[in-house]
Amino acid sequence: DIQMTQSPSTLSASVGDSVTITCRASQDINGYLAWFQQKPGKAPKLLIYKASDLESGVPSRFSGRGSGTEFTLTINTLQPDDFATYYCQQYNYYWTFGQGTKVEIK
Amino acid sequence: QVQLQESGPGLVRPSQTLSLTCTVSGGSIRSDVYYWSWLRQPPGKGPEWIGYIDYSGTTRYIPSLESRLTISVDTSKNQFSLSLTSVTAADTAVYFCARDRRSILDSWGQGILVTVSS
Repeated sequence: DIQMTQSPSTLSASVGDSVTITCRASQDINGYLAWFQQKPGKAPKLLIYKASDLESGVPSRFSGRGSGTEFTLTINTLQPDDFATYYCQQYNYYWTFGQGTKVEIK
Repeated sequence: QVQLQESGPGLVRPSQTLSLTCTVSGGSIRSDVYYWSWLRQPPGKGPEWIGYIDYSGTTRYIPSLESRLTISVDTSKNQFSLSLTSVTAADTAVYFCARDRRSILDSWGQGILVTVSS
């Protein structure tokens, strides 16, 4: 199984800040990495796939990068709507998710 | 724009069978571009992918559930379904159906909470 580890688990920030979440895979996943945003009681929403490709309709303040086993999601100029939990997910071999990073209001 | 909607009982007794259906609207399930997945999310945890099916009935399951899991498709109703046998409290979760665009889970249903309890 490929394990996905996110850090930090919780991140406190203010509107207008830029934040970065890190995701590490237990083995090389060939860039097959997606990022999702989830709000309470809602389904995860796809933000980024193939490590850095922005899904249609997703604001450009979201960006992803990385390769091999280490990946990051950056949110520039946090908006009120961005306070949520974020998950990374690999799809190189089956599909596995990280444990999540909650972005909360400072 | 495709929409997915899960339906089924919210409470299942231990050792019984959990059965859910996902209805797809705004697009045909008969596509060779998409697979149709089930995932679940236990309370306070990240999602877990559990299996997929394509319109022809080809399936793939997570190994840990393979012995208890069946996913089926009904193209005439634009639906696919999940059946999980011999459930325990560990199967309590929000269950989601999702569209798989070449391994990318791009559209999800709203989810349905299924509690396993006597």
